[in-house]
Amino acid sequence: KQEVTQIPAALSVPEGENLVLNCSFTDSAIYNLQWFRQDPGKGLTSLLLIQSSQREQTSGRLNASLDKSSGRSTLYIAASQPGDSATYLCAVAGETSGSRLTFGEGTQLTVNP
Amino acid sequence: DARVTQTPRDKVTEMGQEVTMRCQPILGHNTVFWYRQTMMQGLELLAYFRNRAPLDDSGMPKDRFSAEMPDATLATLKIQPSEPRDSAVYFCASGLVLGPKHEQFFGPGTRLTVL
Repeated sequence: KQEVTQIPAALSVPEGENLVLNCSFTDSAIYNLQWFRQDPGKGLTSLLLIQSSQREQTSGRLNASLDKSSGRSTLYIAASQPGDSATYLCAVAGETSGSRLTFGEGTQLTVNP
Repeated sequence: DARVTQTPRDKVTEMGQEVTMRCQPILGHNTVFWYRQTMMQGLELLAYFRNRAPLDDSGMPKDRFSAEMPDATLATLKIQPSEPRDSAVYFCASGLVLGPKHEQFFGPGTRLTVL
């Protein structure tokens, strides 16, 4: 059974810092890994999707990498801003789970002005 | 800007009442998911559909929950009778499954409170 773990569970940084969020998964047979952001009381916003054949994806200040063989992904946020404060979730679509996503517990990020 | 829409956004009801939540997936998407999110349990998958056919509803309490897709533009999740423990945020997500790419886009959710 696929398990997804995110470290750290919470992170507080001053504005302007570059930071890394970590995600690990136990079964490397995946179709893709998706990073989401969730603001309090809101839905999940898709940030980046990395397919299993890819190593990284970039969108603006965000860069996500994938090392499928070791079961790891990182989300790098450059020059963090207070508006980046949210919970970040990673989720994997496993080859044996159809289209179901297995989610991590999330990293709660606070960027202080 | 294509988005998943959900109605109602908020629902307060009394125990025993029927609740129906609706979802309009992104046009052209072939897969629709229903999730429930609580502080204690996090995100739980309740059910999902591909091309309107149910593929998995093992996450739903069968005695009181039902999910349907009457057409490609509407998915419904019904609870009858509702109970206080059903209080949660219910999310609908849709995706277009193309070969090895399985991507999901979430709606804003329905916040359900059962008194």
